[in-house]
Amino acid sequence: EAGVAQSPRYKIIEKRQSVAFWCNPISGHATLYWYQQILGQGPKLLIQFQNNGVVDDSQLPKDRFSAERLKGVDSTLKIQPAKLEDSAVYLCASKGQGRYAFFGQGTRLTVV
Amino acid sequence: QQPVQSPQAVILREGEDAVINCSSSKALYSVHWYRQKHGEAPVFLMILLKGGEQKGHDKISASFNEKKQQSSLYLTASQLSYSGTYFCGTILYSGGGADGLTFGKGTHLIIQP
Repeated sequence: EAGVAQSPRYKIIEKRQSVAFWCNPISGHATLYWYQQILGQGPKLLIQFQNNGVVDDSQLPKDRFSAERLKGVDSTLKIQPAKLEDSAVYLCASKGQGRYAFFGQGTRLTVV
Repeated sequence: QQPVQSPQAVILREGEDAVINCSSSKALYSVHWYRQKHGEAPVFLMILLKGGEQKGHDKISASFNEKKQQSSLYLTASQLSYSGTYFCGTILYSGGGADGLTFGKGTHLIIQP
């Protein structure tokens, strides 16, 4: 079974630039999550999708972050404009009928 | 409400045992344990639901004390492969569809030969 795929693996941008991350969940998984993991911390939930609808985006900084999952499969997370404090690993996870989520390897973002 | 993990770090010799704790100030519905190695994805270990059950596989087990709102992860006869950072993730309520995890800050486990 293929896992959660994310790209790119690494991204370096200057502050105030924009960036987008892509996630392809495990086939058939209706639930998709984006987490932000700052160095030395646990992952922090940004947004949860159920199919193509948003279930929880209470911790998403909506002034600069946006996410979509148009066809209920792939998802993109965008930051515009980026700040230095956005440097982190962005993890995508998906969940099917089971009770736990599978994580991708993440995209490491460095904002300089 | 972020759960509190303890200890922050543990260094063990191969074959020794370890206990990692995860405490919440609020009533929990479930606790999820993950292990993450450097630069890799977090990997699911086990889930504990309220009811005080204990689960385990191989030499890793966990318990959930509903009275204390605390879960403990037990690693018995640790192996080199157990090294990594252990995170507990919690869910306060069931139902409603929102089931994203709130993770603790992690416990770094180093196993030395």
